Amino acid sequence: EVQLLQSGGGLVQPGGSLRLSCAASGFTINDYYMDWVRQAPGKGLEWVGRSKTKAYNYTTDHAASVQGRFSVSRDDSKNSLYLQMSGLKSEDTALYYCARTYYDSWSGYYWFDTWGQGTLVIVSS
Amino acid sequence: DIQMTQSPSSLSASVGDRVTITCRASQNIANYLNWYQQKPGRAPKLLIFAASRLQNGVPSRFSGGRSGTEFTLTIASLQLEDFATYHCQQTFSTLHSFGQGTKLEIK
Repeated sequence: EVQLLQSGGGLVQPGGSLRLSCAASGFTINDYYMDWVRQAPGKGLEWVGRSKTKAYNYTTDHAASVQGRFSVSRDDSKNSLYLQMSGLKSEDTALYYCARTYYDSWSGYYWFDTWGQGTLVIVSS
Repeated sequence: DIQMTQSPSSLSASVGDRVTITCRASQNIANYLNWYQQKPGRAPKLLIFAASRLQNGVPSRFSGGRSGTEFTLTIASLQLEDFATYHCQQTFSTLHSFGQGTKLEIK
């Protein structure tokens, strides 16, 4: 069964750091782009960032709201995706999801076909 | 940045109703539009990708359409399990973005 198991959330003070992990099972992340999406309490979804595959030099992209503070990375040998967060602000409080991305290189279409269970990050003093 | 505007933000309907949710892009995004369903306490689930292509296993009462920069998600005959929040997502730009969500409630 294809699954994403997340860990690493919690309560952190403003300005602090936290690393989220997303362990894949039932497939190898080598073959897939992997993304992070967050959802603030009672709000919609916000795309956070992406890690492309080795074929694309493990290039990452980040939303403007987290650029320079958050960093997406992966370890294919551990079949895991990570989100390193620093300079955390109260507005970063959210449920964070990792997602497997299907990328059709011929058409350019992307979609998120598998999601983790979510991990809650609370930024508060 | 591409802005995605969903309407309505909430909607009350009854079982058996035909319902349409709209998502408008701030610029041309071709067919780079996905729809997700999210139930309380659960992760989103992919329903439709590339504007109109149904994900495997999704009931055929769901359909997606496009007219210019306006996209629609239609549920032909609402079932009890369809009451949820629906999100659109554009993937035309490198920096993806979502609409603010539409909450579909039981009337």
